[in-house]
Amino acid sequence: QVQLQQSGTELVKPASSVKISCKASGYTFTSNYMHWIRQQPGNGLEWIGWIYPGNGNTKYNQKFDGKATLTADKSSSTAYMQLSSLTSEDSAVYFCARSGLQWPPGYFDFWGPGTMVTVSS
Amino acid sequence: DTVLTQSPALAVSPGERVTISCRASESVSTGMHWYQQKPGQQPKLLIYGASNLESGVPARFSGSGSGTDFTLTIDPVEADDTATYFCQQSWNELTFGSGTKLEIK
Repeated sequence: QVQLQQSGTELVKPASSVKISCKASGYTFTSNYMHWIRQQPGNGLEWIGWIYPGNGNTKYNQKFDGKATLTADKSSSTAYMQLSSLTSEDSAVYFCARSGLQWPPGYFDFWGPGTMVTVSS
Repeated sequence: DTVLTQSPALAVSPGERVTISCRASESVSTGMHWYQQKPGQQPKLLIYGASNLESGVPARFSGSGSGTDFTLTIDPVEADDTATYFCQQSWNELTFGSGTKLEIK
């Protein structure tokens, strides 16, 4: 069965960076797009971007261009998102989510449990 | 960006029929999808392509609409359906609605 396992809670200082992970299992990692989605406390969902692990191609929401960097390691079926120059505004739960095989990537059929990132001095 | 507008909250009794609406600021054809999110959990896909029921989702859930106006219907609603429901469009980049919190009285 498809599973997305995310890394644990992060408490980080302002102006620093953090890298969170999403390990995929139960399907061919290189065949589906992997997305990252942010949910700030009490707020809705924002799409950050996607990576296609098959060739490393990425696409970002313009709002997160320069803030987020998406990578993937095919050997371990793990996707990563690095967030840089962190501020309190970046405190949120970050989900990885898989989209299906359709192009363009449309909907998210499996989600990870989320990684909470808290930015505080 | 395509903005999706949802009513913030609804309250219904078990056994009733509830409709949750989502209006897009521009046409998204049938590129509309619905998710259920319970507190402390990740969202779960319910409906994709406006009206297609995701595998494993009860047939009490259905979706309709095209263009700018979409509806998620739960009939009949059960106590376990207490959650926030988000719409998401994929026609113009990828954006989400702000969510409708459903309370079962």
